[in-house]
Amino acid sequence: DAKTTQPPSMDCAEGRAANLPCNHSTISGNEYVYWYRQIHSQGPQYIIHGLKNNETNEMASLIITEDRKSSTLILPHATLRDTAVYYCIVRGSNDYKLSFGAGTTVTVRA
Amino acid sequence: NAGVTQTPKFQVLKTGQSMTLQCAQDMNHNSMYWYRQDPGMGLRLIYYSASEGTTDKGEVPNGYNVSRLNKREFSLRLESAAPSQTSVYFCASSDTGIRPNQPQHFGDGTRLSIL
Repeated sequence: DAKTTQPPSMDCAEGRAANLPCNHSTISGNEYVYWYRQIHSQGPQYIIHGLKNNETNEMASLIITEDRKSSTLILPHATLRDTAVYYCIVRGSNDYKLSFGAGTTVTVRA
Repeated sequence: NAGVTQTPKFQVLKTGQSMTLQCAQDMNHNSMYWYRQDPGMGLRLIYYSASEGTTDKGEVPNGYNVSRLNKREFSLRLESAAPSQTSVYFCASSDTGIRPNQPQHFGDGTRLSIL
């Protein structure tokens, strides 16, 4: 039961902003949107999460639409080290597991 | 700050052998988790421990046992390894105290091959 839909891949130029879309049209009121990334051979790395307001931290910004059916992760100045698989995950407050789908493979090119 | 530490990083076993994967976190988190990741697939939850002294099954618990040794440590045991358990195993922890929906933080994994 896929809760999120992401494009399978995208390219980004180094130094430019990377905008990663995610659709979660069946999200319910108590479910948060989380973003993780996995660089080859490493464990998943937490990036950011939010409920309905836009969020920003040192790594990225998360923009959630007003109806909460979609969101965008923004990496403001992509570097080669940002090449990774990015996962958008919807998780409720009572859910212990994170359900990782296929994610988006982001390749940052020099 | 080490975060979540997993040992060993790599291991090769023969079918039928037993093994314990170790995980320790230094973030004073209440909850800990074991996931497995197979090639080209997302992570699947094996077991989790919501707090010290409790453990619960996840999506794929068959063939595994876990022990929450103390607040810092959560181990995963394969009693009789099978080739189908060849995978990368990730441990994670999260702070599920007063503030809800805190993120899980992952270790770098144990790569396990069973021949």
